[in-house]
Amino acid sequence: DAKTTQPTSMDCAEGRAANLPCNHSTISGNEYVYWYRQIHSQGPQYIIHGLKNNETNEMASLIITEDRKSSTLILPHATLRDTAVYYCIVRDASGGSNYKLTFGKGTLLTVNP
Amino acid sequence: GAVVSQHPSWVICKSGTSVKIECRSLDFQATTMFWYRQFPKQSLMLMATSNEGSKATYEQGVEKDKFLINHASLTLSTLTVTSAHPEDSSFYICSARDRNQDRLHFGNGTRLTVT
Repeated sequence: DAKTTQPTSMDCAEGRAANLPCNHSTISGNEYVYWYRQIHSQGPQYIIHGLKNNETNEMASLIITEDRKSSTLILPHATLRDTAVYYCIVRDASGGSNYKLTFGKGTLLTVNP
Repeated sequence: GAVVSQHPSWVICKSGTSVKIECRSLDFQATTMFWYRQFPKQSLMLMATSNEGSKATYEQGVEKDKFLINHASLTLSTLTVTSAHPEDSSFYICSARDRNQDRLHFGNGTRLTVT
């Protein structure tokens, strides 16, 4: 069962902010929201994750709504190298095999010159 | 940062032969590794969970006798595709759990082509 819903594709102009939405309306209280991206023919790359507070790192910001049913990944100044498929994933906070990540179809972000 | 090395990056083999893919965590210990498969224009599909020192756990529909997984140390897991067929041609990706950083790190994948 898909736990997250993302748009199939988005476009963004180089230098502008890219805002990628994700719906996870069935998220439970002990599930984190993770974002990964996959550049063509490479392995996925970790971007950011959060539980309920907004998070920021050197790559991106993660905004999680108060009810935790949706989130937005923000790339503040998109570059051509940010063109990739972006995956929003919810994961159980417990350990062991529950650590596995189930990938949906993601959003293909295309950054245009 | 933590790095997961996957080898080889690509391999071509003949139908009926076996191929081994290695996944190493370079600067952290990984008690749990995961193996994924990705067909063209599709998302990653989890094949199995590899646990150090114990048997792997396979996802439904994945043949454990065909995809042999060995996780003999805290830094190495191997996936062997036995008696490969053209339909096994795919992009195989491993990931390793970094407990210190609470995330999974992925290798750069192995492109397998079976002729």
